[in-house]
Amino acid sequence: LAKTTQPISMDSYEGQEVNITCSHNNIATNDYITWYQQFPSQGPRFIIQGYKTKVTNEVASLFIPADRKSSTLSLPRVSLSDTAVYYCLVGGMDSNYQLIWGAGTKLIIKP
Amino acid sequence: ETGVTQSPTHLIKTRGQQVTLRCSSQSGHNTVSWYQQALGQGPQFIFQYYREEENGRGNFPPRFSGLQFPNYSSELNVNALELDDSALYLCASSRDRFYEQYFGPGTRLTVT
Repeated sequence: LAKTTQPISMDSYEGQEVNITCSHNNIATNDYITWYQQFPSQGPRFIIQGYKTKVTNEVASLFIPADRKSSTLSLPRVSLSDTAVYYCLVGGMDSNYQLIWGAGTKLIIKP
Repeated sequence: ETGVTQSPTHLIKTRGQQVTLRCSSQSGHNTVSWYQQALGQGPQFIFQYYREEENGRGNFPPRFSGLQFPNYSSELNVNALELDDSALYLCASSRDRFYEQYFGPGTRLTVT
């Protein structure tokens, strides 16, 4: 089963670009990589999902190298409201449908 | 379009008792996943239901069981409650097994 590793915490400042990297060395061939954001006392919220190369949506970009053993979530021009815990999720049919979450990265944005 | 709802919001049970938590999936979604989240930790996958069948299971004992109904709503049942079962239980629905998941607000279970 793929296991994920993320930094425990990160700090940044408003207006900066933030990159959070997740390591998933044992990712299976058909596994997808998904990132979620969670605020205190709320359920996680979907940010972005990808399989390979680069995916971009209105809030973030996801970079996945060719070997897929890691992925990087990029948040452009963060604001104070981006302070949250960010989770990297790896799973799919090859992982027997078990959805493995990382421990999460607590991102703190400072003014 | 209504989002994912969970009931109850909070629950206090005694060790050894049984509990049933409920989840209504978002319209058009056929997959429901359940997670346990202890304070300060990431969600732990319990199991997933896809079109009324269990589709995957995490490392939880058999006393954690579930159901998915024809309308794709779902229940999580936990028997013989233990103190360590105290946690936030999250339900998420998606339009298929590995599409983006939409989470409910969770049920906070306290076992005393």
